[in-house]
Amino acid sequence: EAGVAQSPRYKIIEKRQSVAFWCNPISGHATLYWYQQILGQGPKLLIQFQNNGVVDDSQLPKDRFSAERLKGVDSTLKIQPAKLEDSAVYLCASSLDRGFRSPLHFGNGTRLTVT
Amino acid sequence: SQELEQSPQSLIVQEGKNLTINCTSSKTLYGLYWYKQKYGEGLIFLMMLQKGGEEKSHEKITAKLDEKKQQSSLHITASQPSHAGIYLCGADMGGGSNYKLTFGKGTLLTVNP
Repeated sequence: EAGVAQSPRYKIIEKRQSVAFWCNPISGHATLYWYQQILGQGPKLLIQFQNNGVVDDSQLPKDRFSAERLKGVDSTLKIQPAKLEDSAVYLCASSLDRGFRSPLHFGNGTRLTVT
Repeated sequence: SQELEQSPQSLIVQEGKNLTINCTSSKTLYGLYWYKQKYGEGLIFLMMLQKGGEEKSHEKITAKLDEKKQQSSLHITASQPSHAGIYLCGADMGGGSNYKLTFGKGTLLTVNP
């Protein structure tokens, strides 16, 4: 099966600019996650979708970050405006369903550098 | 404070040596995953543990969840350069409908040929 696809792989922007990341999950996976991984840290959950509904966005900085999952398939994550501390790898993951019995499958991530 | 603590933070071993990585939680673990990450890539699923005392193996990697379900260990036998990377544990810290997957900071493994 095809894996989780993410684009772009790399992005360099200046602070206060906006940026968007795209994710295409594994076909048939109902749950989609966006994680932020800062260098030297473990991934931190930003938002979790179940189909096209938000299940958990408690750690999403909503003043600058937004995400959507139209039609319950592809998802986009946007940052506007970006700050220096947003430099990180943004990982998208999907799972068959929500819950521990459905392991997450990760994409290769988008490495964002904010200058 | 970090909910999941991994130790050691980094590890350098000679090819052929055995090694162990630990993942400790201050709360009961309802389930735990081990993932491997290579630089610039996403996380690759290794195995999942759910029951206290459960032990699973895949090739030369064995992981165990302790009886009290607050610690897991990952053991690599006869390490090879292909084992190099970052090993991350991820755990369900909520349980049931409060499912919330949290990751440790990772352990960086270097295997010298």
